[in-house]
Amino acid sequence: DADVTQTPRNRITKTGKRIMLECSQTKGHDRMYWYRQDPGLGLRLIYYSFDVKDINKGEISDGYSVSRQAQAKFSLSLESAIPNQTALYFCATGEGTDTQYFGPGTRLTVL
Amino acid sequence: AQSVTQLDSHVSVSEGTPVLLRCNYSSSYSPSLFWYVQHPNKGLQLLLKYTSAATLVKGINGFEAEFKKSETSFHLTKPSAHMSDAAEYFCVVPMDSSYKLIFGSGTRLLVRP
Repeated sequence: DADVTQTPRNRITKTGKRIMLECSQTKGHDRMYWYRQDPGLGLRLIYYSFDVKDINKGEISDGYSVSRQAQAKFSLSLESAIPNQTALYFCATGEGTDTQYFGPGTRLTVL
Repeated sequence: AQSVTQLDSHVSVSEGTPVLLRCNYSSSYSPSLFWYVQHPNKGLQLLLKYTSAATLVKGINGFEAEFKKSETSFHLTKPSAHMSDAAEYFCVVPMDSSYKLIFGSGTRLLVRP
C-alpha cells in the first residue's frame, strides 16, 4: 500500500551495529505498529503506538526500541543487532476499526 | 486466550480448480475476523473482513469466507484458482478491544499450470 512506506527495503548489517528502520504514512491514522515475520510463525507484534505520546510493548519487544516522531512517522531501532533479529519487518497503521494497513516490508539480515 | 490455527502450511492446486484454505480460531472476543494475502516481496493486503453483518463474506479477487461459529472456523475459498493467486495467506483475529491482532502461521498457496 503506497500510503504506508518503509525505508530501507533491504538492509544487511553486522552483529553489534545499531540499525533504524523507518515508517511513514499518509493515511492520517493515529495507530501505528511494528511487526516481524519469520517463516512459519506469521507476524508477531514488536511495538505499537496509539498516538505520539502513547507507545506500548508488544509480545517480542526485547532488543528493540521505537520512536514516534510525529503522527505520520514511527521508527524501529535495534540498538545492537544480533543474527536472530534477521527477519522481515512490517509497519502497519490503523484507525477507527481494528483493520490494519501494511507497508511493503523491510528485509533485514544481521551477519 | 485468543488464538488462530491455519490447518495447512502449504496448499497446492491446479489452475482452474477450487481453493480451500482452512482456519480455526479460539476467541472469546471476536467481533471481526480477517484474511490477509501476501504476494512475493510485497506487504500484506486485506483480502476480506467478517464483521457479523453476514456469515458469508466476499473479498477481492473472487475470494470468500464463511464464518461458522459452531465450528469456530473461517475458511477461505475460491471457485477457480488463477496463477496470480499464488501467495501466502494469513487468517487473523483481534486479540481484544486493544486493536492488536493475532496472526496465524500462514498458508502458502501454490497454483500449478
